[in-house]
Amino acid sequence: AQTVTQSQPEMSVQEAETVTLSCTYDTSESNYYLFWYKQPPSRQMILVIRQEAYKQQNATENRFSVNFQKAAKSFSLKISDSQLGDTAMYFCAFMKHNAGNMLTFGGGTRLMVKP
Amino acid sequence: NAGVTQTPKFQVLKTGQSMTLQCAQDMNHNSMYWYRQDPGMGLRLIYYSASEGTTDKGEVPNGYNVSRLNKREFSLRLESAAPSQTSVYFCASRTTGVSNQPQHFGDGTRLSIL
Repeated sequence: AQTVTQSQPEMSVQEAETVTLSCTYDTSESNYYLFWYKQPPSRQMILVIRQEAYKQQNATENRFSVNFQKAAKSFSLKISDSQLGDTAMYFCAFMKHNAGNMLTFGGGTRLMVKP
Repeated sequence: NAGVTQTPKFQVLKTGQSMTLQCAQDMNHNSMYWYRQDPGMGLRLIYYSASEGTTDKGEVPNGYNVSRLNKREFSLRLESAAPSQTSVYFCASRTTGVSNQPQHFGDGTRLSIL
């Protein structure tokens, strides 16, 4: 079974600064996908960014980028130019490529962006 | 764009009561999922349906049953609710046509069992 660990329960950052959220995972699979989801106080689960394990290039989506280290089984999220609207819970998730394509989630990091 | 719709949004039950949570998606997705989220934790998979006509257990299936009614709808039933089932329940769906596609989530159902 896969496990996903987010070692930072809470973090804070000043508006306009950069913050990095950590995620590590444990798997014996070689073909898989990794995701970061954002959950604001509204409780919605919003996809932030995705990464295919077979791609060496790190994914980027505007102010969001990842540092994917496959050998180290690490998948960190960097948020640049933090905005107040980035305040949320952030979940790292692992998906094995199989018939079910189920997600395994980490415990989450609560990010507070301060004005 | 409705996406994934869950009903109800909130519900309070007494211990021992039964309840069905409804989920429908309008994206023509093959796979559907039910998760629960306990306070301060990530989501855990209860059951999933990889395609119409199939269902399988996830990480925490005890106390729940599911029905994949058709391609659009996937319901979750609590036959005899227990306080330990107090949680926020999320339904999700995903296409299987493209390998890197994410799951799309509904807005959740907050369920309290007294």
